[in-house]
Amino acid sequence: GNSVTQMEGPVTLSEEAFLTINCTYTATGYPSLFWYVQYPGEGLQLLLKATKADDKGSNKGFEATYRKETTSFHLEKGSVQVSDSAVYFCALSFYGGATNKLIFGTGTLLAVQP
Amino acid sequence: KAGVTQTPRYLIKTRGQQVTLSCSPISGHRSVSWYQQTPGQGLQFLFEYFSETQRNKGNFPGRFSGRQFSNSRSEMNVSTLELGDSALYLCASSSDGTHSGNTIYFGEGSWLTVV
Repeated sequence: GNSVTQMEGPVTLSEEAFLTINCTYTATGYPSLFWYVQYPGEGLQLLLKATKADDKGSNKGFEATYRKETTSFHLEKGSVQVSDSAVYFCALSFYGGATNKLIFGTGTLLAVQP
Repeated sequence: KAGVTQTPRYLIKTRGQQVTLSCSPISGHRSVSWYQQTPGQGLQFLFEYFSETQRNKGNFPGRFSGRQFSNSRSEMNVSTLELGDSALYLCASSSDGTHSGNTIYFGEGSWLTVV
């Protein structure tokens, strides 16, 4: 079946450190890939997406590249801020199908210390 | 434009009761999906409605049901509540179809506590 695997958290970093959150997927076919972020007490916000292999999604300094050969979509940021503290979810969906269903990973809590 | 609006934001129910949650999608969006978020199971897809028809359903018991109205607003209902139904219920909306330009937007969720 289709699934998403994320690295276990929490990830604790100091401000201005480099961030990587690993995400790999298993899918039949060619999914689109997403990173969503959830701040405390809030819903999910789309952070970035990539719809085909080798696409790079980017937003607010975050980047992720769709790697078909390694079935990965790792999230990176060069210099994190305290305000980036949140839970990050990797997800996949199949465009062109008959549904907008998203399949999520378990989420990774990021805590950035000043 | 206004985002996805969910009501109520917080509620407490007793085991055996039923609950109805409401979701107003972004104006013009016809697809509405519901997800359950719990610490143990993470984010799980409940169902999706498009133009008043359910077009996909997750692996939840029949106690969980939903519907969509002609104005695209959606409700989900959980009957005979169990303690394990305590969760954050998230509604998501998107525009017409499932093409690659589509973006799925989430509301802030309804926090349900069953006691």
